[in-house]
Order: sequence, then C-alpha cells, then structure tokens
Amino acid sequence: DIVLTQSPDSLAVSLGERATINCKSSQSVLYSSNNLNYVSWYQHKPGQPPKLLIYWASTRASGVPDRFSGSGSGTDFTLTISSLQAEDVAVYYCQQYYVTPPRTFGQGTKVEIK
Amino acid sequence: DVHLVESGGGVVQPGGSLRLSCQASGFIFSKYWMIWVRHAPGKRLEWVASMNEDGRLKWLAGSVKGRFTISRDDAKNSLYLQMNSLRAEDTAVYYCVRDSGYFDFWGRGTLVTVSS
Repeated sequence: DIVLTQSPDSLAVSLGERATINCKSSQSVLYSSNNLNYVSWYQHKPGQPPKLLIYWASTRASGVPDRFSGSGSGTDFTLTISSLQAEDVAVYYCQQYYVTPPRTFGQGTKVEIK
Repeated sequence: DVHLVESGGGVVQPGGSLRLSCQASGFIFSKYWMIWVRHAPGKRLEWVASMNEDGRLKWLAGSVKGRFTISRDDAKNSLYLQMNSLRAEDTAVYYCVRDSGYFDFWGRGTLVTVSS
C-alpha cells in the first residue's frame, strides 16, 4: 500500500498569511506515460463533506479560489494557501489514486487561525 | 448539478447489520466508478469500497473485507453498502463518492454508530 505522510499535523497561521502543507508518498505516484501525478487534495470542514480542491497534483477543481495551489512531483507534494481567510479553517488531506486498491489518504493537517 | 444523497445510517449493536443507500442524480451514473469513504471521529478519511461502472469489479478495504458488500443498481441510479458483523470501530460518517480517479463529488454522509 502507498503510505502518505503529511506535515505538519497542525498549523496556525495569521489571516492573510501563507499556509503550506506537505505530503510525502512512500513511492512515486508519477505515471511516466502521461507525466501526471496521481495526487489530489481535499478540504474537510466539521459537519460538511470533504471538498475536492486539487487533482493531478496541481489542477484546481471548479470553483476553488486561486489562493489554493498545488505543486510537486514524484513523492513530494505541497498544498499552499497563499493568503489565509477565515473560511479556510479546516482539515486538509492529500490522497493518491496511482495504486488502487486501496485508495489512501494522508493523516490530515488541521489549519487554524493564529 | 451532481447530487449524492445517502441514507440508512443509525445506531446498531455490535454484531448487527445495516444497509446504506446512495441516490445519485445530475450525471450518467452508469458511466462512473462509485465508492464509499468513511470518517471516524478523530481519524483520517478511509476508503471503504469501490465498484466499477458495470458492477463486475468490486474492491473492499481490508478492515471490512468479509463483512461489507458493495453493490449498485444502475436502473435506479443507486449505490449500496451492506454492512454485517458491525464493530465499534465501524462507527463513522459514511460518504458516497463519485470516482473520477480523484473523488470529485461527495454526498453529505450518513452516520453509523455501533454501540451496545
């Protein structure tokens, strides 16, 4: 199974500042034939379903604000919130779809306001 | 608009059974893999089960294999999860999710509580 390890487990950022979340995969999730990284990112707020933010490691899902961006390749990935807003308080998960089954998620990173 | 609506959750005793249903609308259901994902209190999201477009391929997480069964009825645009021999550790919100490789649409979830 592919293990995804996120860092940090939690972080507190001031409003308007940058938040950076890392996700490290136990094996490469880059498919060489199409040069795509099979990683997605989700935002999960209490009482709501998770929401897709990023897929193919760096493609924003429809309607996602451009302050959210994804980067990385191979085994190391990053989700960046360029200017944290109050509504961004949530738990963020990375997920791989390179190997299935199982589909695996990172352990989650809790983002709070400092 | 894509909509996924789960039902069937509730409180059940250890060893009991529940059947979850998911009603889909707003997309051609028969053209998509569909999955169940759960979120237990204080834990990470966990993939539970997947089924391909025609129902011939089914995958289950090791933690539920032999106890849970995934099925679908494309005529009814519905996905199901039959859960038997339930354990306390199965307590979670269960989400029905459309699988496009990444998980692009999620239902609001249904809560399953396993407790005596």
